[in-house]
Amino acid sequence: DAGVIQSPRHEVTEMGQEVTLRCKPISGHNSLFWYRQTMMRGLELLIYFNNNVPIDDSGMPEDRFSAKMPNASFSTLKIQPSEPRDSAVYFCASTQGPGQGPYEQYFGPGTRLTVT
Amino acid sequence: GDSVTQMEGPVTLSEEAFLTINCTYTATGYPSLFWYVQYPGEGLQLLLKATKADDKGSNKGFEATYRKETTSFHLEKGSVQVSDSAVYFCALKPLGGAQKLVFGQGTRLTINP
Repeated sequence: DAGVIQSPRHEVTEMGQEVTLRCKPISGHNSLFWYRQTMMRGLELLIYFNNNVPIDDSGMPEDRFSAKMPNASFSTLKIQPSEPRDSAVYFCASTQGPGQGPYEQYFGPGTRLTVT
Repeated sequence: GDSVTQMEGPVTLSEEAFLTINCTYTATGYPSLFWYVQYPGEGLQLLLKATKADDKGSNKGFEATYRKETTSFHLEKGSVQVSDSAVYFCALKPLGGAQKLVFGQGTRLTINP
């Protein structure tokens, strides 16, 4: 299995530009998560989906951030317009579920975003 | 709400030293507990887990025991190696069907040869 796939691995953009991060979860996984990691704030959950439906987007910082999951094998996180404070590593993770089991979350390698 | 608190880092040890990273949690009922590890430049990966009180999770020489009475899940290893240098995250999955995890702030561990 290829694991969770994220693209691009690195993104450098100028303030005000639109940024789109992409994620392909592990086949058969029904839950998908987007996280942001920074030195100052640590690891933050932005949004998660169950069966392609957004369940909790309370971690999305503001309206500039949006996420979609049009099908079970693809999700995007979009920032428009981007700002320097959005610079971070963005992780996508997937897991089996929803359900009662404590299913392991599998993380992708992350996208390092730098906004200048 | 549910929360996880880890010992402050960074932690620096010599090779073959004994390691403890403290983790305590606040949650309703009996959550599932996890330790994840993040090596430089990579995503997080599961190190071990425990799903009920007194369970011991173990992997790669690391161990952690689910202590309900002290709401703790401390990570231990008897003899660390340079390759154990990484950031370690304690996490809980609340009771119920949602697969959302609550993470601690992470503890950076550096092992010197």
